[in-house]
Amino acid sequence: AQSVTQLDSHVSVSEGTPVLLRCNYSSSYSPSLFWYVQHPNKGLQLLLKYTSAATLVKGINGFEAEFKKSETSFHLTKPSAHMSDAAEYFCVVSDPGGTSYGKLTFGQGTILTVHP
Amino acid sequence: KAGVTQTPRYLIKTRGQQVTLSCSPISGHRSVSWYQQTPGQGLQFLFEYFSETQRNKGNFPGRFSGRQFSNSRSEMNVSTLELGDSALYLCASSSSPRGADGYTFGSGTRLTVV
Repeated sequence: AQSVTQLDSHVSVSEGTPVLLRCNYSSSYSPSLFWYVQHPNKGLQLLLKYTSAATLVKGINGFEAEFKKSETSFHLTKPSAHMSDAAEYFCVVSDPGGTSYGKLTFGQGTILTVHP
Repeated sequence: KAGVTQTPRYLIKTRGQQVTLSCSPISGHRSVSWYQQTPGQGLQFLFEYFSETQRNKGNFPGRFSGRQFSNSRSEMNVSTLELGDSALYLCASSSSPRGADGYTFGSGTRLTVV
């Protein structure tokens, strides 16, 4: 079975300061991990993905995430927040086999607010 | 390259009616998944299709069904609509059979049941 826990439901930062969105996962297999972003009344956009290659993954818009197997974590970071980063972010796990075949499991989401 | 296209964007239906939602994946993508998004339950997996075969199904009642056509386009149907079916329904497609490349999502269909 697979599961995802996003440790913060809301994160608030000032423009130009670092962003940290925390995610822990559970998986029976070697999972694929993703971060998606959803702006209001929009679909989901893929920010970055980890698929058992490099543990530090770079994504779009300056975001990156580090896969830490020993801590079962996949935290999302950005060095300097921009107003346009304000959105809801989802950590997602996908198992390649078992009953989770073909299924994405989403965390509950973290709403990022960026203050001027 | 066109993205994932979902139609219609908005729907208003009455309790007891049925509804069909459509999804056209990115050209060449054979894996299509459906998700329901609500404020209370978040994003929940409905089902996944690959080459016209349903490979996985989430924990939803039998009123929720789907299918995939030979051109990879997919439809989902909800019969005997209930108020609780009001949600954003998202479709996603992937180029890899196991979704390792990630899924590209459409903009969704907003269904309101009154």
